Amino acid sequence: EAGVTQFPSHSVIEKGQTVTLRCDPISGHDNLYWYRRVMGKEIKFLLHFVKESKQDESGMPNNRFLAERTGGTYSTLKVQPAELEDSGVYFCASSRTSVSYNEQFFGPGTRLTVL
Amino acid sequence: LAKTTQPISMDSYEGQEVNITCSHNNIATNDYITWYQQFPSQGPRFIIQGYKTKVTNEVASLFIPADRKSSTLSLPRVSLSDTAVYYCLGSSGNTPLVFGKGTRLSVIA
Repeated sequence: EAGVTQFPSHSVIEKGQTVTLRCDPISGHDNLYWYRRVMGKEIKFLLHFVKESKQDESGMPNNRFLAERTGGTYSTLKVQPAELEDSGVYFCASSRTSVSYNEQFFGPGTRLTVL
Repeated sequence: LAKTTQPISMDSYEGQEVNITCSHNNIATNDYITWYQQFPSQGPRFIIQGYKTKVTNEVASLFIPADRKSSTLSLPRVSLSDTAVYYCLGSSGNTPLVFGKGTRLSVIA
């Protein structure tokens, strides 16, 4: 089966601009997660979709970040306006629904650089 | 979700068995112990998951004692391609993963 894909692989923008990241999960996976790693830090959770609904967005840093998953398929993460501290690698992951088993499949990430 | 502690780095020669131990003293009753592997410029990749005792798959073995306060990931006969960061996490169901710093394994020829 095709894996999780993310677009773009790299994005370089100036402070104040807007960037939209896209994630296509594995077909049939209801759960979709966004994570990010900023320079020198651990990978941190941002939010979790179950189908098109936001299950948990406790990790979203502020209201400059907006995530959507219309139709329960692909998801977008928009940063508007971007700030320098938003630079990092943004990962998307997807998984099937399970009571106990928690295998998340990660995409390759989008490297965002804000200048 | 349980806080985990693991060595920051380890070195090994090719062909050796590598054991990475992780401490998770406060793991929740319903949490599984899960290990992920991450290569540079890639997302983390699931390796193995277990609740208690021993689990083995084609990649690794996972040993979990009865008290579940720690676990050991065992990689048999490592090769250069096993050089990566290995993360130990406690997780259950469809919950977000909590990553620590992981263990950076360097395999030397």
